[in-house]
Amino acid sequence: DAKTTQPPSMDCAEGRAANLPCNHSTISGNEYVYWYRQIHSQGPQYIIHGLKNNETNEMASLIITEDRKSSTLILPHATLRDTAVYYCIVRVAISQGNLIFGKGTKLSVKP
Amino acid sequence: DTEVTQTPKHLVMGMTNKKSLKCEQHMGHRAMYWYKQKAKKPPELMFVYSYEKLSINESVPSRFSPECPNSSLLNLHLHALQPEDSALYLCASSQEAGTEYGYTFGSGTRLTVV
Repeated sequence: DAKTTQPPSMDCAEGRAANLPCNHSTISGNEYVYWYRQIHSQGPQYIIHGLKNNETNEMASLIITEDRKSSTLILPHATLRDTAVYYCIVRVAISQGNLIFGKGTKLSVKP
Repeated sequence: DTEVTQTPKHLVMGMTNKKSLKCEQHMGHRAMYWYKQKAKKPPELMFVYSYEKLSINESVPSRFSPECPNSSLLNLHLHALQPEDSALYLCASSQEAGTEYGYTFGSGTRLTVV
């Protein structure tokens, strides 16, 4: 599976959009981009995933560049409860067991 | 029911003890996973079960013994652990092992080995 690079930490003001970048320059054509987050002392939570097209759900939007070498997770109106570690993961969906977490980005939402 | 339930939430055990962690889901998922997470580190995959059969063992020491009695239940049996095995143990499930869709994680069991 391709490796990802994320900034170790980011700050965001409450109510503003949080834009979390992820670089995955070695991504293969059949690899999806997944985002999970982990709030302190809880299990990881699935947020969103995509292959080529931009995706949106009730939690967030995922913007994937046309060359698929990078992506951005957007939390449109960040709240204090969005403070968490955000993991960007690329994986081949039809293989087994390889949801492999990198170091992630610690997002701190501040009042 | 859209949850993965892990019990106990906290466990303290001695190095000579035998204990078990339990994970349960009633979403009809056919793949279940054990992850280990040390403090300030990302989760690390330990085992994968697909249709109640062990499909991946990520070179985990034999003092960790997984068991999948049925499609809803996953156990992790612990024996002769070391203090460095203290960690948060996370269980997850997904529709199938090779699915596009996301995993659902439990809240974990925080294990302390003394």
